[in-house]
Amino acid sequence: DAGITQSPRHKVTETGTPVTLRCHQTENHRYMYWYRQDPGHGLRLIHYSYGVKDTDKGEVSDGYSVSRSKTEDFLLTLESATSSQTSVYFCATGSNNQPQHFGDGTRLSIL
Amino acid sequence: KNQVEQSPQSLIILEGKNCTLQCNYTVSPFSNLRWYKQDTGRGPVSLTIMTFSENTKSNGRYTATLDADTKQSSLHITASQLSDSASYICVVTPANQAGTALIFGKGTTLSVSS
Repeated sequence: DAGITQSPRHKVTETGTPVTLRCHQTENHRYMYWYRQDPGHGLRLIHYSYGVKDTDKGEVSDGYSVSRSKTEDFLLTLESATSSQTSVYFCATGSNNQPQHFGDGTRLSIL
Repeated sequence: KNQVEQSPQSLIILEGKNCTLQCNYTVSPFSNLRWYKQDTGRGPVSLTIMTFSENTKSNGRYTATLDADTKQSSLHITASQLSDSASYICVVTPANQAGTALIFGKGTTLSVSS
C-alpha cells in the first residue's frame, strides 16, 4: 500500500454543519487529489494540490474548500454540508501530475 | 466531449472461467489508459497502464489490450477467482493535459461465484 490514510472512514452528519475530511500520506508525493464517487458516475475531481499551499479547483468544486499546510496532509472541508454532498470521498497522491495511489475512502452521509 | 464508456455494467461468472471487460473512449489524442480494480469498501488499485503506442499489458491473470484506431480497450481475466469480485474502472488521460484531466469510466462490477 502507498501509505494513504483517510479519516474518518465513516461519518454521518446533519445538513448545514461543517465537515472536514483528512488525507494523510507517508510517500512524500507532491500531488494530492480529492475525488467523489457516486452511483452512476465515474470518479470526479473536487480539488487538487500541486504543493504546500498550492491548490486548485477540479470539476465539481462548488461547496468544497481544501487546505494543504504540510506535504503529508490534504484537508477537504464542506463549509455547510448539503444532502447532495452525500458520497464516498477518495484521496489520491502522485509523484508526478498523475494520481497513482488512492486511499480507502470516507463514506459521508448528510441527513 | 471526452467520454469513457464501459460494458457490461455488471457481470456474473463462475469461478475458474475467463471473462473480458470492454472500454470504449472518445478521448483523442490521449497519453495513457489505465485499468483499476476496486474492491468493495476500498480505493481503486492500478492493474495496468498503457501508453497510446502500446497494444497489450499483462499483470498476472489480468491482460489489457488497446486498439487506438478503434478507440477500444479490453481487460481479460483468466481463470477467475473469488477474489476477482470487484469493480473494474477504465481511465483515460488526455494528451498534453495534467493528471487532473483524467476521464474515469463508471466501471464494470464483476461477481465471481463458486
